[in-house]
Amino acid sequence: EAGVAQSPRYKIIEKRQSVAFWCNPISGHATLYWYQQILGQGPKLLIQFQNNGVVDDSQLPKDRFSAERLKGVDSTLKIQPAKLEDSAVYLCASSPLTGGKYEQYFGPGTRLTVT
Amino acid sequence: GNSVTQMEGPVTLSEEAFLTINCTYTATGYPSLFWYVQYPGEGLQLLLKATKADDKGSNKGFEATYRKETTSFHLEKGSVQVSDSAVYFCALGGSASKIIFGSGTRLSIRP
Repeated sequence: EAGVAQSPRYKIIEKRQSVAFWCNPISGHATLYWYQQILGQGPKLLIQFQNNGVVDDSQLPKDRFSAERLKGVDSTLKIQPAKLEDSAVYLCASSPLTGGKYEQYFGPGTRLTVT
Repeated sequence: GNSVTQMEGPVTLSEEAFLTINCTYTATGYPSLFWYVQYPGEGLQLLLKATKADDKGSNKGFEATYRKETTSFHLEKGSVQVSDSAVYFCALGGSASKIIFGSGTRLSIRP
């Protein structure tokens, strides 16, 4: 079974530029998550999708971050414009079930550096 | 709200040493508890989990017991190997809530 795919793996941009990350979850997984992991910290949930609907985006900085999951499969996370404090690893995860009691399957992440 | 506090790292041990990484939690209701591991250059992966009080999760020689009376879920391994070097995250999740991760503990094992 193929795992969660993410691209790119690394990205370096200047502040105020825009960037997009792509995630392809495990086939058949209805729930998709985007996390931000700042160096030395645990992952922080940005947004959760159930199929193509948003379940939780309470910690997404909506003035600069946006995400979509068209057709309930792939997802894209965008930052526009980027700030220095957005430097982090962006993790995508998927799960066949919704809810904190269930295992999540993580992709390798995209390491973003904003200069 | 729910929260997880885990032992700060880094933790450095010699091969075959005994490992304990402490984790305590604050939660309402009866969450599930998890240990995730992140090997260098890879994404997080589930190491073990427990879904109710007194459950013991185990995998790859690691164990953790869900202790409701002490609100703890400490990770243990009797004899660590160099290949166990990674970052370990304690986490909790309720049925209607998201997973909350601890800040992670970096473990390095010397040959």
